[in-house]
Amino acid sequence: GEEVAQTPKHLVRGEGQKAKLYCAPIKGHSYVFWYQQVLKNEFKFLISFQNENVFDETGMPKERFSAKCLPNSPCSLEIQATKLEDSAVYFCASSRIHGTEAFFGQGTRLTVV
Amino acid sequence: AQSVTQLDSQVPVFEEAPVELRCNYSSSVSVYLFWYVQYPNQGLQLLLKYLSGSTLVESINGFEAEFNKSQTSFHLRKPSVHISDTAEYFCAVSQGAQKLVFGQGTRLTINP
Repeated sequence: GEEVAQTPKHLVRGEGQKAKLYCAPIKGHSYVFWYQQVLKNEFKFLISFQNENVFDETGMPKERFSAKCLPNSPCSLEIQATKLEDSAVYFCASSRIHGTEAFFGQGTRLTVV
Repeated sequence: AQSVTQLDSQVPVFEEAPVELRCNYSSSVSVYLFWYVQYPNQGLQLLLKYLSGSTLVESINGFEAEFNKSQTSFHLRKPSVHISDTAEYFCAVSQGAQKLVFGQGTRLTINP
């Protein structure tokens, strides 16, 4: 597709439940990035992929968070046992190989209650 | 490590007035510089970028930014703002395909 597609737009989970977010990058883009935006600002980098391989996971919390980008499937970000502080908007972005610009999706708003 | 500082968290201006949103960065290596805009309840849209070459870059909707290497700044300006420019603006740096490092954002509010 011509845009980064994120689903669902909104997700509500009770504390301790699992949350799974999906991202379909722009066709032909090799890099996928996940960011967490808390309180309408402060974008925090989580993880990036080059195709199906983890490229940079320095921002990923070691516990509870995991992510995958498998061939012919949307990328996913999964949070096990959600906590209240996981409430945020999660953005996915993609870029071409050797590209200099990241294109962002509309985000998934996760609310943990 | 790279970092980005946006010096103003909020900037209120009157319609048709000029505006400058300030951005300073620190990096030990060459970086690419970006301004993104986020309208309410939407994702990020690229406003403009500096990769190399001319230090003054322009967007299609009247914004411009100037890369100043000696001051490590990339301030965003517009000579005359419109109500529709009301949004959150984020300055960011990256090294090519690397992750973006964002500033804290500046909320631009346009008053009639």
